[in-house]
Amino acid sequence: DGGITQSPKYLFRKEGQNVTLSCEQNLNHDAMYWYRQDPGQGLRLIYYSQIVNDFQKGDIAEGYSVSREKKESFPLTVTSAQKNPTAFYLCASSMPDRGNTEAFFGQGTRLTVV
Amino acid sequence: AQSVTQLDSQVPVFEEAPVELRCNYSSSVSVYLFWYVQYPNQGLQLLLKYLSGSTLVESINGFEAEFNKSQTSFHLRKPSVHISDTAEYFCAVSPMNRDDKIIFGKGTRLHILP
Repeated sequence: DGGITQSPKYLFRKEGQNVTLSCEQNLNHDAMYWYRQDPGQGLRLIYYSQIVNDFQKGDIAEGYSVSREKKESFPLTVTSAQKNPTAFYLCASSMPDRGNTEAFFGQGTRLTVV
Repeated sequence: AQSVTQLDSQVPVFEEAPVELRCNYSSSVSVYLFWYVQYPNQGLQLLLKYLSGSTLVESINGFEAEFNKSQTSFHLRKPSVHISDTAEYFCAVSPMNRDDKIIFGKGTRLHILP
């Protein structure tokens, strides 16, 4: 079955540590996105990538980094520079060919700093 | 640039009563329109979408939305809600015929009261 997979579902991190969230898709989509979700704040775009080896900052990129070495994979690293990393993180993909007709989402990763 | 406004952050409604979740958008170009649903601790799922044709679109679980170009709205309605409809609902737009990202509203939390 085609889809988008995020792992792990729950992640705990000590303060000062970097951590990487995984996102893999087998939908052959060109575009991939990372969102952060906090209670009452909707979805906030962290980074997005329209094509392999290229990505752009979203609205809240500070303290995060990404790579897009393969079409299928778009990992997100939460660095120690991110002051308040506890949140629910969502990955999505789409095919923006003459307009996105749908975005597909993973099940999310809940990151907690302990 | 595009923007999406969901006028209500929370909507309480009694079970079996009708509901309307409001969505307005702003765009200088024609857009595709979407409603997504998010159940607790899960990713977003597509509920329905308007790409072209009939301005009234329906989902398999009784929701419908109507595209109103003159009012730049895409309100979501259901004539009789069930407790299982408790979720957060996101409106989204994507420009037609452009390789650009999907823009999401801040979401509306639907509370079903017994």
